[in-house]
Amino acid sequence: GEDVEQSLFLSVREGDSSVINCTYTDSSSTYLYWYKQEPGAGLQLLTYIFSNMDMKQDQRLTVLLNKKDKHLSLRIADTQTGDSAIYFCAENGGYQKVTFGTGTKLQVIP
Amino acid sequence: EAGVAQSPRYKIIEKRQSVAFWCNPISGHATLYWYQQILGQGPKLLIQFQNNGVVDDSQLPKDRFSAERLKGVDSTLKIQPAKLEDSAVYLCASSLIKGSEAFFGQGTRLTVV
Repeated sequence: GEDVEQSLFLSVREGDSSVINCTYTDSSSTYLYWYKQEPGAGLQLLTYIFSNMDMKQDQRLTVLLNKKDKHLSLRIADTQTGDSAIYFCAENGGYQKVTFGTGTKLQVIP
Repeated sequence: EAGVAQSPRYKIIEKRQSVAFWCNPISGHATLYWYQQILGQGPKLLIQFQNNGVVDDSQLPKDRFSAERLKGVDSTLKIQPAKLEDSAVYLCASSLIKGSEAFFGQGTRLTVV
């Protein structure tokens, strides 16, 4: 079955770059997503990448995909305190089911 | 554009009681999902509808959970009887077509005591 794994916690200083990593197992994934969840709020789609791409940049966000290693990363440039949240990696694999990772809690230190 | 609406926002019930959650997806979205998010974990898909038909309910505990989307629009998720381990946030999401971007509601936080 599908499995998506992430490290649980990341702490960075304000202004630095953050890199959140994710690995997945489903080789049939067509889309890979990054969602942000703030306390008490629903999930917000930040960005996504098609499986035939290896990089996507969107303002401060850069997504890198290594399809061979089934590794996805999200880089946030110039991290701000407002970026503190839990970040979920998700993949859209077989049967169009979206499977989420366990989430990485990003703490930004002022 | 209105987002995905869910109600109630919070619910506290005793174990063995019943509870129902309601979801109104974004207008025109054919695909509707119910996810369970236990504290400290990622969302887990419970059931996926395409219009009013079930696409995937492989992770739905069918002995106690049920869901319906009778007219292909709103959906309800029911738990009967509830157990302590059902305490979680129940998230509803919808997408225009199967596999496209899913938009999430704010969720219903269920506490079973």
